[in-house]
Amino acid sequence: SSELTQDPAVSVALGQTVRITCQGDSLRSYYASWYQQKPGQAPVLVIYGKNNRPSGIPDRFSGSSSGNTASLTITGAQAEDEADYYCNSRDSSGNHLYVFGTGTKVTVL
Amino acid sequence: QITLKESGPTLVKPTQTLTLTCTFSGFSLSTSGVGVGWIRQPPGKALEWLALIYWNDDKRYSPSLKSRLTITKDTSKNQVVLTMTNMDPVDTATYYCAHYYGDYVGDWFDPWGQGTLVTVSS
Repeated sequence: SSELTQDPAVSVALGQTVRITCQGDSLRSYYASWYQQKPGQAPVLVIYGKNNRPSGIPDRFSGSSSGNTASLTITGAQAEDEADYYCNSRDSSGNHLYVFGTGTKVTVL
Repeated sequence: QITLKESGPTLVKPTQTLTLTCTFSGFSLSTSGVGVGWIRQPPGKALEWLALIYWNDDKRYSPSLKSRLTITKDTSKNQVVLTMTNMDPVDTATYYCAHYYGDYVGDWFDPWGQGTLVTVSS
């Protein structure tokens, strides 16, 4: 199975924009989904498909993809956005197997 | 409203078999495109996908754990069961189940259960 690589940590000033990236060969063929996880809580889906937000997710969260890289952008980061973020996608085997990214810790300053 | 909840032992001994049950409501595992997945997270570490069972009983497993995992469903009881054999301390983790959906738009896990912490120790 393929791997999905994320930067371990990023920081963003309150109200500014931060982009979190996820790299992997399978992303050339499949969309990534993105999950937010706060300490002690289960992950929550924030982006799926090309750029879709589940009900209740603020529109400051958006997704994009280019080549082997998927990105999650938080435009106007809020204090409550401080969390770990994980990407997820199918792997490149074509066998409907899944893989999670290595995770990115987002700190809002 | 879709909800899922994991249940099972909190402590297992090395070499034992772990059996976890995911009990869900708000959807049917007979609906096309729907599935239930299992994901785990060792303390302080990243998420790891384990297995997925689809509405049509198709099953997928993580290649690195395939020989140890079995996933089954009981549609009438709204339950999915994951068994993992030959448990080892490195399998200590919070185990989550999650509703899966996939179509031409993409595929995703949403929502997730609260998770259950399983510790492997003698």
